[in-house]
Amino acid sequence: DGGITQSPKYLFRKEGQNVTLSCEQNLNHDAMYWYRQDPGQGLRLIYYSQIVNDFQKGDIAEGYSVSREKKESFPLTVTSAQKNPTAFYLCASSISSGGSTDTQYFGPGTRLTVL
Amino acid sequence: EDKVVQSPLSLVVHEGDTVTLNCSYEVTNFRSLLWYKQEKKAPTFLFMLTSSGIEKKSGRLSSILDKKELFSILNITATQTGDSAIYLCASRYGNKLVFGAGTILRVKS
Repeated sequence: DGGITQSPKYLFRKEGQNVTLSCEQNLNHDAMYWYRQDPGQGLRLIYYSQIVNDFQKGDIAEGYSVSREKKESFPLTVTSAQKNPTAFYLCASSISSGGSTDTQYFGPGTRLTVL
Repeated sequence: EDKVVQSPLSLVVHEGDTVTLNCSYEVTNFRSLLWYKQEKKAPTFLFMLTSSGIEKKSGRLSSILDKKELFSILNITATQTGDSAIYLCASRYGNKLVFGAGTILRVKS
């Protein structure tokens, strides 16, 4: 099946710990994105990558890091520097990020809770 | 600052009602406007609008864009309980999307 997978579905971590969220796609999409969703707020862009080995900060990148070593994979690390990490994290991908008609498709999300 | 504002924030209707969800945007270098439906987890794509005045339809859902007024609406006719979800509007500028807060729609049987 083609699509975007995220793991784990639920994640709990203690304060001060780094944690990595997985995102994999087999759609052969060039561009990948990480968003954060909080109750009552829209999705906010954390990081995005238009091509392998390249990525850019989004609107709320502080306390997060990413890598893009393979086209299919775009893991997100939530570091201990992120002050309020409890949220729902969504990964998305699109064929490219340059076309005005590119559509982003989303994975099922990871719900992170910091204890 | 680029922003997207959706209204209402939440809405409760009865099955069979027609609803209109609103989305206004202020973005530089606007390229397109997208609607998504989010039920439990992953937002699923509904429509992409790039041209003013051209209605897009899919079953009971339709949407239209007004680039002069910087506004889009999503209509759902003959609502069903399965339409209950968060409806997200996003505006594309450059190579990024900026999302509104969403409208929570609940359809009662």
